[in-house]
Amino acid sequence: SAVISQKPSRDICQRGTSLTIQCQVDSQVTMMFWYRQQPGQSLTLIATANQGSEATYESGFVIDKFPISRPNLTFSTLTVSNMSPEDSSIYLCSVDSSGSLRFFGPGTRLTVL
Amino acid sequence: QKEVEQDPGPLSVPEGAIVSLNCTYSNSAFQYFMWYRQYSRKGPELLMYTYSSGNKEDGRFTAQVDKSSKYISLFIRDSQPSDSATYLCAMSGQFLNRGGGADGLTFGKGTHLIIQP
Repeated sequence: SAVISQKPSRDICQRGTSLTIQCQVDSQVTMMFWYRQQPGQSLTLIATANQGSEATYESGFVIDKFPISRPNLTFSTLTVSNMSPEDSSIYLCSVDSSGSLRFFGPGTRLTVL
Repeated sequence: QKEVEQDPGPLSVPEGAIVSLNCTYSNSAFQYFMWYRQYSRKGPELLMYTYSSGNKEDGRFTAQVDKSSKYISLFIRDSQPSDSATYLCAMSGQFLNRGGGADGLTFGKGTHLIIQP
C-alpha cells in the first residue's frame, strides 16, 4: 500500500485567509484525489489531479476556491482560498496504488474562525 | 433516496461480541465494494475489498456482498476495544475510473462502532 503524508495535520485559520495543504506519497502514482469530510457526511470528492494537466473538479467545487497543483507523480497541494467557517472540515488526499486500490492520507483538520 | 445508505450509529457492543455492519445501495451498476476503518483524527484505512457477490474473509473480518438485495455487510468476530472506530462502506461501478473526472467511488456516511471492554 502507498504511504501518504499530509501537512499540516491541523490548523486554525481566520476568515478570509487561505491555507495550502500538502500531500506527499512514497511512490509514483498516476492519479491523486482530494476529498472533504464534514461531520456526519459522506466523503465528498473535490477534484482529481493528474500530473501535467489541469485538475478536474466535481460539481460544486471551483478552481478559484480550491486551486490544486500536481507538479510531479508523488506530490500535490490543495489550497482553500478566502476561507469562511463553512470550509471547516477534514481535507483528505487519496491515491490509487498498485492493484487499483484507493488509499487515504491522515487528513488535515481545518477550523475557520 | 441516496445511492448508499449506512446507519451512522453509534453501535455499542461488549467485547468479544460479533459485530455486523451494513450498507444498502440503489445503483445496480456497483460491482466493487470496500470497507474502510477510520480512527478518530485519522484518515480512512482500507480494510476489505470485494468484487461482485460473495464472501471474503481476512482474520476476524468477513465482508459479504448480496447484489440481488443490494446489501453489503462487514462482520467482525471476537470484537476488541481496538476495533472501536468509524467504518465506512464504499462502492464503485467500474474500478476507479482512470479517464479523468469523477472517480466513481461512492461512500456511505460511516457507522460509529464502540466496543465496550
